[in-house]
Amino acid sequence: DQQVKQNSPSLSVQEGRISILNCDYTNSMFDYFLWYKKYPAEGPTFLISISSIKDKNEDGRFTVFLNKSAKHLSLHIVPSQPGDSAVYFCAASAPGGGADGLTFGKGTHLIIQP
Amino acid sequence: EPEVTQTPSHQVTQMGQEVILRCVPISNHLYFYWYRQILGQKVEFLVSFYNNEISEKSEIFDDQFSVERPDGSNFTLKIRSTKLEDSAMYFCASRSAGPFNEQFFGPGTRLTVL
Repeated sequence: DQQVKQNSPSLSVQEGRISILNCDYTNSMFDYFLWYKKYPAEGPTFLISISSIKDKNEDGRFTVFLNKSAKHLSLHIVPSQPGDSAVYFCAASAPGGGADGLTFGKGTHLIIQP
Repeated sequence: EPEVTQTPSHQVTQMGQEVILRCVPISNHLYFYWYRQILGQKVEFLVSFYNNEISEKSEIFDDQFSVERPDGSNFTLKIRSTKLEDSAMYFCASRSAGPFNEQFFGPGTRLTVL
């Protein structure tokens, strides 16, 4: 039962262009969403988050959009840089309901091409 | 910048043996977590810990698993009798107080059960 889905296992983007990573969820109790970046043999690194009371959050080159009615969120990276090449995980939790263990998607491997 | 640390980085054990994985969370954090990632699969939540007790656990976290905060700095995960399928990367995470605060992950311990 995949409560958090990342349907694109990989994505290739030209350096300087926009990278858009997508994530869908099924559990309507989720009210907090996070994006993590992960390199091989390292732990996930927090990038950006959004709570369900917002529909957009921006931090530098990273913007997360949340569409609650569609149960969909996306991460935009612009401009994309070679160092952005990594696996990106979407994660969700329901901290307001006391269940704040994160449910992760399977990840999208982003490859930035020079 | 404060970070979550984990030891050892790699643990090899025989099936049926007990292992203890250790974590030092970020010092002012109050919530602690263990996750695991089996090779090629997604990161899975195991357990959360707050105020010296388990606050949430997943189906994976059965009687073979236990967690402890033996002192003011360490947070441990014990597997009493390891099985082959326990082989995975184990990540510790922590976060500060408040419902919508991101979890920070350690670099992980690679557990190999032979």
